Amino acid sequence: DIQMTQSPSSLSASVGDRVTITCRASQGISNSLAWYQQKPGKAPKLLLYAASRLESGVPSRFSGSGSGTDYTLTISSLQPEDFATYYCQQYYSTPPTFGGGTKVEIK
Amino acid sequence: EVQLVESGGGLVQPGGSLRLSCAASGFTVSSNYMSWVRQAPGKGLEWVSVIYSGGSTYYADSVKGRFTISRDNSKNTLYLQMNSLRAEDTAVYYCARGMYYYGSGRNYYYMDVWGKGTTVTVSS
Repeated sequence: DIQMTQSPSSLSASVGDRVTITCRASQGISNSLAWYQQKPGKAPKLLLYAASRLESGVPSRFSGSGSGTDYTLTISSLQPEDFATYYCQQYYSTPPTFGGGTKVEIK
Repeated sequence: EVQLVESGGGLVQPGGSLRLSCAASGFTVSSNYMSWVRQAPGKGLEWVSVIYSGGSTYYADSVKGRFTISRDNSKNTLYLQMNSLRAEDTAVYYCARGMYYYGSGRNYYYMDVWGKGTTVTVSS
């Protein structure tokens, strides 16, 4: 199975900050990476797929980049509604696997 | 509107069984890759099972031999039959639709639409 390691596991930030979350795969995944946002008591919401393709309806302040084993989710200007937990997930091979999550909290 | 609604969760004793349902609207279950993903209390996301449009199924090692994924095309519904339940199966179970794109000679499937989840508690 491909292991996905996310960092940091949590961070504190202020509204307007630029936030970066990283995800490392245990082997190359050819950009087969999705990012999800989850708020407490809610289902995950797809933000990006194919490492950098923005899902329809997702604000453009979210962006993704990376290649090979290393990927990044960036929120250019953190908004109040962005405080949540973020997960990366590889779908290069079965089983699809998730990172451990990054909780973004208000500073 | 594309929507998934899970049901069937509840409290069950260890060793018991439960069948989860996921009713879809706005698209056809049988034409899509459909997955179950679970989340134990306070924990991260764990993929459980998938059924492809062609009928192929796959399972996480943790549930293989105990869980069965299936679909009813006439009801446009996905199911997860869970047998021999254990305390560690306690979680919110989500169903999710898979979308795909083609690249480098193959299809790549990602989960784009998720239901709100149904809670399974395994406890005596």
